[in-house]
Amino acid sequence: DIQMTQSPSTLSASVGDRITITCRASQSISSWLAWYQQKPGKAPKLLIYKASSLESGVPSRFSGSGSGTEFTLTISSLQPDDFATYYCQQYNSYSPPFGQGTKVEIK
Amino acid sequence: EVQLVESGGGLVQPGRSLRLSCAASGFTFPDYAMHWVRQAPGKGLEWVSGISWDSGVVAYADSVKGRFTISRDNAKNSLYLQMNGLRAEDMALYYCAKDWGPLPRGYMDVWGKGTTVTVSS
Repeated sequence: DIQMTQSPSTLSASVGDRITITCRASQSISSWLAWYQQKPGKAPKLLIYKASSLESGVPSRFSGSGSGTEFTLTISSLQPDDFATYYCQQYNSYSPPFGQGTKVEIK
Repeated sequence: EVQLVESGGGLVQPGRSLRLSCAASGFTFPDYAMHWVRQAPGKGLEWVSGISWDSGVVAYADSVKGRFTISRDNAKNSLYLQMNGLRAEDMALYYCAKDWGPLPRGYMDVWGKGTTVTVSS
């Protein structure tokens, strides 16, 4: 089974910062990667699919890149609403694993 | 408005059964695959099970295989998860999620708010 590993587990940042979260797959997954945002007490929300395609309605400060085994989620200028936990997920298989999550907290 | 509403969670003793339901609205339910994803308290997301638009393809995580059964009723726009032989490690918030396509191998573009399953004697 494919394993997904995110880093860092926790990231402390300030409003206005540019931040990057990394997700690595244990084997090549082409561009079959999605990113989700989850705020405390809320359901996950899709941000990005196919590694770099922005879901409708998601602010353009969010971007994704990568292919194969290494992927990144970048927030170009962190806003107060962005403090949350972010998960990557491999798809295009019948057992789509999530990464363990990266919590973005206020510095 | 596209919406998924889960129900059926509750407190259950180890070894007992529970059936979760998910009511869908605001989209053509029969066209899409569906999933169950769970989140144990303070933990990350764990995919549990998925089902294709026509119930022809079903898939399970190894942790629930043989104990959980996913099903759907397209006439009722509803998704189900029959959970048997519940264990303490099954305790979690269970989310219903819509796949972007007809097979349960895509990303999840709509999520419900979840229903809580507590396993305790």
